[in-house]
Amino acid sequence: GQNIDQPTEMTATEGAIVQINCTYQTSGFNGLFWYQQHAGEAPTFLSYNVLDGLEEKGRFSSFLSRSKGYSYLLLKELQMKDSASYLCAVKDSNYQLIWGAGTKLIIKP
Amino acid sequence: ETGVTQTPRHLVMGMTNKKSLKCEQHLGHNAMYWYKQSAKKPLELMFVYNFKEQTENNSVPSRFSPECPNSSHLFLHLHTLQPEDSALYLCASSQDSEVVASEQYFGPGTRLTVT
Repeated sequence: GQNIDQPTEMTATEGAIVQINCTYQTSGFNGLFWYQQHAGEAPTFLSYNVLDGLEEKGRFSSFLSRSKGYSYLLLKELQMKDSASYLCAVKDSNYQLIWGAGTKLIIKP
Repeated sequence: ETGVTQTPRHLVMGMTNKKSLKCEQHLGHNAMYWYKQSAKKPLELMFVYNFKEQTENNSVPSRFSPECPNSSHLFLHLHTLQPEDSALYLCASSQDSEVVASEQYFGPGTRLTVT
């Protein structure tokens, strides 16, 4: 079966760095997406990785290793507004997005 | 209006009612999706329409019936629902469901409670 694993919840301090991991087993691979979802709001797109390596976008970076079935989202200089759930999703060989359950990130002052 | 809109935002219905959820996208996209989001569970893809044609139906019970009259509008018709159908129903759109790098844009969702 297809599976996406990510931690249920993480806590970090304002101004610090946090890394949210995602491992996947899917039927085929057509890229990995990260989305941010604030409580009560719609998920919003953060990043897309299809080749191995690190993609940097401001305070957020996303890394992919296809051979290991592994990705992480790195958030730097954490702000209170970064408190949200972070969803990892892989597009499989049928172009369907397979979603993880999300990681709830709690930022403390 | 911009982006993806959904109405109503909240809905409470009895198990014998019939209601419809509406989604509209103003992004010029060709693909639209319905998802179910339950607490602490992954997003569940329900239906996909690409260029107004239904391309996916992920074993969704027949009490959920989608309709896509054009590329900008998507409906989810509900009838004789069960309490376990209570969830957040999200609509999304993308440029094309078969373009690999095409990200999805989500609406704010309809919070459905079945009593």
